[in-house]
Amino acid sequence: EIVLTQSPDFQSVTPKERVTISCRASQNIGNNLHWYQQKPGQSPQLLIKFASQSFSGVPSRFSGSGSGTDFTLIINGLETEDAATYYCHQTTGLRQTFGGGTKVEIK
Amino acid sequence: EMQLSESGGALVQPGGSLRLSCATSGFPFSSYAMSWVRQAPGKGLEWVSSISGPGTTTYYVDSVEGRFTISRDNYRNTLFLQMNSLRAEDTAVYYCGKLYSGSYFDSWGQGSLVTVSS
Repeated sequence: EIVLTQSPDFQSVTPKERVTISCRASQNIGNNLHWYQQKPGQSPQLLIKFASQSFSGVPSRFSGSGSGTDFTLIINGLETEDAATYYCHQTTGLRQTFGGGTKVEIK
Repeated sequence: EMQLSESGGALVQPGGSLRLSCATSGFPFSSYAMSWVRQAPGKGLEWVSSISGPGTTTYYVDSVEGRFTISRDNYRNTLFLQMNSLRAEDTAVYYCGKLYSGSYFDSWGQGSLVTVSS
């Protein structure tokens, strides 16, 4: 099983600040890494596919980078509506896995 | 517009069974692999099972292998999860998700709560 380790677990951030979330895979997964945002009481929503491709309708302040085992989600200029938990997700091989999540709180 | 809607969640005793359904619309259902993902209270997302578009190939997380069965009815555009021998640790909100090209989830249902407790 491919394990995804996210860091940090929690981040408290002031609006307009830059947020960086890391996701490390236990083995090479190429670019088969996707990012989701989940707000309380809601289903997850896709932000970034294949490590760096923005999904349709997602604000441009969200971006992704990385390949192989190290990946990063960046929120450039945090807005209050971005308070949520963020998950990375890999789809290499037969069994998918998710990272443990990073909760972003607005200060 | 793509729509996915789960149903069938309930309170069930340990050792019991439950069948979840996910009704879909707005896309050619048989062309896409589908999955179930669960989220225990206050915890993160956990992939549970996936099924290919034709329904011929299935995959499961180790913890449910042999107890859960994923299936689909491509005429009724509906996904199912049959859950047997339920345990307290299966308590979660269960989401169905549409996999685009077998990769990322581009659409999710609203979730269905399964509670396993005596």
